[in-house]
Amino acid sequence: AQSVTQPDIHITVSEGASLELRCNYSYGATPYLFWYVQSPGQGLQLLLKYFSGDTLVQGIKGFEAEFKRSQSSFNLRKPSVHWSDAAEYFCAVGDRVYGNKLVFGAGTILRVKS
Amino acid sequence: GAVVSQHPSWVICKSGTSVKIECRSLDFQATTMFWYRQFPKQSLMLMATSNEGSKATYEQGVEKDKFLINHASLTLSTLTVTSAHPEDSSFYICSASAGNTEAFFGQGTRLTVV
Repeated sequence: AQSVTQPDIHITVSEGASLELRCNYSYGATPYLFWYVQSPGQGLQLLLKYFSGDTLVQGIKGFEAEFKRSQSSFNLRKPSVHWSDAAEYFCAVGDRVYGNKLVFGAGTILRVKS
Repeated sequence: GAVVSQHPSWVICKSGTSVKIECRSLDFQATTMFWYRQFPKQSLMLMATSNEGSKATYEQGVEKDKFLINHASLTLSTLTVTSAHPEDSSFYICSASAGNTEAFFGQGTRLTVV
């Protein structure tokens, strides 16, 4: 079964600074990969997804993620963080048979300081 | 993108009563719907998978007699928490899928059992 590790529980960055959130997965093949953002008490918003093809994926709100097969990673990046980016971020994987059935990482809470 | 609506957004019920949560796909036919649970400060955990017209498949450790799932049409799945207790208080979120590569999430339901 697949699993997802988000090693950072909390991250604090200054507004305007760059951001990288880490995600490692365990799966026998290349899974479907997703990043979601959740504001307190809210549902999930899809930031970006990777199914195949170009390993650098562009998403909404200026986010991007890079799939690295050799490292089993799918790290999320943003060049310049805005205060409104403060939220919790979840990495998720779906397998090749049931890509819509997701296993989530533990989440990373992003704090932005002004 | 596809829209999934959950109702209610929040509900408070008395211990021992049952509560029903609806998940609707508004602009597509969802052959599969998933129900997740998120305890405070934790990640989302899959509870069950429901396919239209079939019995739901529950994840290990999820009581099927307590969490009744019905997927009677291609646009509606319901989760009924029977004989709810305070430990069932959680954030329940559904996702709906027309294929097997991506699912779309509802906004979630905050259940508080008092």
